[in-house]
Amino acid sequence: GAVVSQHPSRVICKSGTSVKIECRSLDFQATTMFWYRQFPKQSLMLMATSNEGSKATYEQGVEKDKFLINHASLTLSTLTVTSAHPEDSSFYICSARHKLRTLTDTQYFGPGTRLTVL
Amino acid sequence: KQEVTQIPAALSVPEGENLVLNCSFTDSAIYNLQWFRQDPGKGLTSLLLIQSSQREQTSGRLNASLDKSSGRSTLYIAASQPGDSATYLCAVRGDIPTFGRGTSLIVHP
Repeated sequence: GAVVSQHPSRVICKSGTSVKIECRSLDFQATTMFWYRQFPKQSLMLMATSNEGSKATYEQGVEKDKFLINHASLTLSTLTVTSAHPEDSSFYICSARHKLRTLTDTQYFGPGTRLTVL
Repeated sequence: KQEVTQIPAALSVPEGENLVLNCSFTDSAIYNLQWFRQDPGKGLTSLLLIQSSQREQTSGRLNASLDKSSGRSTLYIAASQPGDSATYLCAVRGDIPTFGRGTSLIVHP
C-alpha cells in the first residue's frame, strides 16, 4: 500500500512552453504533499509544501508564479512549470503524507519526473 | 535552519565489505530520520525510518542507528553486493524535511 505515482515520468519541451506534472496518492488520502527538485549530483531541495484546499507554501527562492502548485483533492497535487527555460531542466519528485497519520510517519515518494527544456 | 551532512560523499568498495554511511544534522529537534536509496534517474526508495524515540532500525542487511542528542545517524550495510550500488540519502524530519546530499556508493564485483 501507500503508493504515489507521478505523470509524466519524462517530458521534453521547448523553451517558453508550460509543463504540468501530476502527483497522485493511489491508495490513500494525503492532506499534505511536498514538491522537490534535484539537479545532477545535488541534494533534493524542497520547493513547496502543498496542503489540500489551501495555497501552497513556497521555500525561499522558489518563484510562486513560475511553479504553480494546485492541491485540489486529497489524492492529487499538480506542479505546473510555466514558461519553462533550459535552467528549469531538473528531476522533480513529489511526496505525500498520509491523512490519518502523524508527522512521525514516513513520507511516500513518487518515482519522479525528469524535465528537459530545449 | 537545519543542515544535514552526509559523509563520505562517494564510496567505492569491493563486494562483501561491511559499510558505514554517516549522516549528521545540526538541529536535534526532529521527529524522525529516514534513509533512502536512489538509483540513477529514479525516484526515492525508503529503506529505514527511525523515530526520534528510537535508537535503531534493522531491515535485512541494513541497520540504521540514531543518536539524536549528538545529531548523528549511521547506516550500516553488511556484506555489500553490486546491487547495493546507488546513492543513499538521509532525510531529517522537523517541521519540514531536510535532505543530505547523499553518499554515492559503488560496489564492484
